Amino acid sequence: EDQVTQSPEALRLQEGESSSLNCSYTVSGLRGLFWYRQDPGKGPEFLFTLYSAGEEKEKERLKATLTKKESFLHITAPKPEDSATYLCAVQELEGANNLFFGTGTRLTVIP
Amino acid sequence: ETGVTQTPRHLVMGMTNKKSLKCEQHLGHNAMYWYKQSAKKPLELMFVYNFKEQTENNSVPSRFSPECPNSSHLFLHLHTLQPEDSALYLCASSQGWSGGTDTQYFGPGTRLTVL
Repeated sequence: EDQVTQSPEALRLQEGESSSLNCSYTVSGLRGLFWYRQDPGKGPEFLFTLYSAGEEKEKERLKATLTKKESFLHITAPKPEDSATYLCAVQELEGANNLFFGTGTRLTVIP
Repeated sequence: ETGVTQTPRHLVMGMTNKKSLKCEQHLGHNAMYWYKQSAKKPLELMFVYNFKEQTENNSVPSRFSPECPNSSHLFLHLHTLQPEDSALYLCASSQGWSGGTDTQYFGPGTRLTVL
């Protein structure tokens, strides 16, 4: 069965302290890997889709990268408003469009 | 309204009640989804509809009954729920099967509490 594992489960950073979140996945074939941001009590907000190993995407202080086994979400000089849970999901090459999610990394950025 | 909307945002119900959750998407999408999100668990896919046809039922108990009258609206009818059904219920929509990646966009969720 497909599996998505995210680490760490929780991360506390000082404002301006850069770090990375990890998403490891095992699928028979990858159609796409997705990153979402979720604020408390709200639905996930789409951030990025990555398609193939070596691909990178950036949005403000966030950069997502992809290898054949994992993806990283790099956060550069984070601000308190970056505090949220970051979810990773994969879509399999064969079959339906279903997403398989990890449990997320809860990021807290302290002023 | 833009994106995906869900009503109500919060719902408290007894185990013998019947209630419904509503989802509406304003993105022109063809696929709609129901997910359950519980603490410390991955999002659990419950139901998928493509072009109004149910294409997936992920072994969900019959006390949850979905309805998709058209590509823009999705309902989740609830009856005789259990306390363990308390969770955040999320609706999502996507363009639908295209052979390529299919990004799902989520609504704000309904926080359900079963007493």
